[in-house]
Amino acid sequence: DGGITQSPKYLFRKEGQNVTLSCEQNLNHDAMYWYRQDPGQGLRLIYYSQIVNDFQKGDIAEGYSVSREKKESFPLTVTSAQKNPTAFYLCASSRSGNSNQPQHFGDGTRLSIL
Amino acid sequence: KNQVEQSPQSLIILEGKNCTLQCNYTVSPFSNLRWYKQDTGRGPVSLTIMTFSENTKSNGRYTATLDADTKQSSLHITASQLSDSASYICVVRMNNAGNMLTFGGGTRLMVKP
Repeated sequence: DGGITQSPKYLFRKEGQNVTLSCEQNLNHDAMYWYRQDPGQGLRLIYYSQIVNDFQKGDIAEGYSVSREKKESFPLTVTSAQKNPTAFYLCASSRSGNSNQPQHFGDGTRLSIL
Repeated sequence: KNQVEQSPQSLIILEGKNCTLQCNYTVSPFSNLRWYKQDTGRGPVSLTIMTFSENTKSNGRYTATLDADTKQSSLHITASQLSDSASYICVVRMNNAGNMLTFGGGTRLMVKP
């Protein structure tokens, strides 16, 4: 079955440590996205990529970094510069250029601070 | 500022009852509005999409409405089931380049037996 796989499901970060969240899709989608979800708030866009080897900052990119070396993969690194990283992180993908196509989401990674 | 507001924040109903969730938005220019269902600890899944010209759309026991003049949408759930317990998120897309979305904070629905 086609879909988006995020790993790990739970992740713990120590002070001063960088951690990387994995996102892989086999839907052959061009566009991929990373969102952060906090309780009671709407999803907020961290980074997005419309095509391989290109990505753009979203609304809350500070303290995060991404890469898009392959079409199917869009890893997110939470750096030590992100002072409040505890949240539920969701990766999504979509076909570019078609506004009526939904974004397909993975099942998220919950990041906590030790 | 582009915003999507949902009400109520949370709702508890008995199994078999109906309920209606509300979504008001200020996103402009408007392209479409989508309702997602998010089970606890999972990613959101699309239920239905409403474009500017559509007033009502059904997907099984879910019926969405859109009033583009007042910038309001609702999601009506008929004959609720325990499996309907989830967060329901209203998402509005602007009519511009890219697939950028504005998300509401969601309504958390609990269906009790």
